[in-house]
Amino acid sequence: DAKTTQPNSMESNEEEPVHLPCNHSTISGTDYIHWYRQLPSQGPEYVIHGLTSNVNNRMASLAIAEDRKSSTLILHRATLRDAAVYYCILRTPSGNTPLVFGKGTRLSVIA
Amino acid sequence: ETGVTQTPRHLVMGMTNKKSLKCEQHLGHNAMYWYKQSAKKPLELMFVYNFKEQTENNSVPSRFSPECPNSSHLFLHLHTLQPEDSALYLCASSQGGDIYEQYFGPGTRLTVT
Repeated sequence: DAKTTQPNSMESNEEEPVHLPCNHSTISGTDYIHWYRQLPSQGPEYVIHGLTSNVNNRMASLAIAEDRKSSTLILHRATLRDAAVYYCILRTPSGNTPLVFGKGTRLSVIA
Repeated sequence: ETGVTQTPRHLVMGMTNKKSLKCEQHLGHNAMYWYKQSAKKPLELMFVYNFKEQTENNSVPSRFSPECPNSSHLFLHLHTLQPEDSALYLCASSQGGDIYEQYFGPGTRLTVT
């Protein structure tokens, strides 16, 4: 899987939008962009994924740059329960390959 | 509740003990995974099973022995572990294929004394 770069940590106020960036300048044309998060003392949790177009689901939105070299996970209204480590992962659909986790971004939410 | 359960949630064992971790998924998935998460390190893949067949062993020491009797159950047998094996062990499952998301269990917190 290609490498991604994320800030180590970010901070947000409660009920404010949060934009979590991810750079993936070596992304290939078939790589999907996946986001997971890990809340304290829990296993990772799938958030969203996309290929080229922006994606929305009940948890978040994913904005993908036109050249696909970067993406942004958007939490529309941060809550205290969104405090977690967020991982941006590229996946190549070439078989049943596992997720490769980096260090992610630790998001703190301030009440 | 993700549909993936793991037991026990916490385990303390001596270096000479033998124990097993259990994972069960209720999602009808055909792929299952073991990951290890040590303190302040990224998650590391240990083993992958696809349709009960092991498809990946990520250079894991032989003191860790996986078993997948069917697509719903996955075990990790532990013997003669070292203190540095203390970690959170996570099980995951997926539909198969790289575009599908993985669902993780809550993990087993293992302490080796």
